[in-house]
Amino acid sequence: SAVISQKPSRDICQRGTSLTIQCQVDSQVTMMFWYRQQPGQSLTLIATANQGSEATYESGFVIDKFPISRPNLTFSTLTVSNMSPEDSSIYLCSVVPGPSTDTQYFGPGTRLTVL
Amino acid sequence: AQKITQTQPGMFVQEKEAVTLDCTYDTSDPSYGLFWYKQPSSGEMIFLIYQGSYDQQNATEGRYSLNFQKARKSANLVISASQLGDSAMYFCAMSRADQAGTALIFGKGTTLSVSS
Repeated sequence: SAVISQKPSRDICQRGTSLTIQCQVDSQVTMMFWYRQQPGQSLTLIATANQGSEATYESGFVIDKFPISRPNLTFSTLTVSNMSPEDSSIYLCSVVPGPSTDTQYFGPGTRLTVL
Repeated sequence: AQKITQTQPGMFVQEKEAVTLDCTYDTSDPSYGLFWYKQPSSGEMIFLIYQGSYDQQNATEGRYSLNFQKARKSANLVISASQLGDSAMYFCAMSRADQAGTALIFGKGTTLSVSS
């Protein structure tokens, strides 16, 4: 498995502002993903964070709203831009440690509230 | 299209009893993985158990076992000897056919409540 940390763990933000969430892994990993979990809902994939290149976004998610960086194999950031109350969610990063496994491990999540 | 269905919004069980959480899936891909995760009120997602589509035996991890019935496309989670700390949301998930090593599709989840 992998030890994953996220910062911040929670935040309360004003509409129109932006928040950058960090995801740090204790070892190099093959794949990193960002998910959103809206209140009372299941998890939805936002994008695959690709090391050294642009992220691959899912339908309904765009780079201008959710820019993602992945400068190396242990770190990624997700920015939630120009926030509205509808962006209030838990944001989770996840990793697949290596090519020999399909198991995905999740960070502790960032609980975002937008006022 | 791939889909995960969890039909039980909530389940209630007494401590020390066994409980089965249902999960059915739909995919046309012959190679896939099935996962169960636990989400306590803190929000973290805790990996519980994995079953590969080609695995001959049902997966087990301690008190967790996965009842894999491929022909029925079901992957039910069985928790034996429930504990108070098992109270949480449980999600069934499947690996996406279009990605290697791989993003997941989640069901809507089942809330499990364990009472003493």
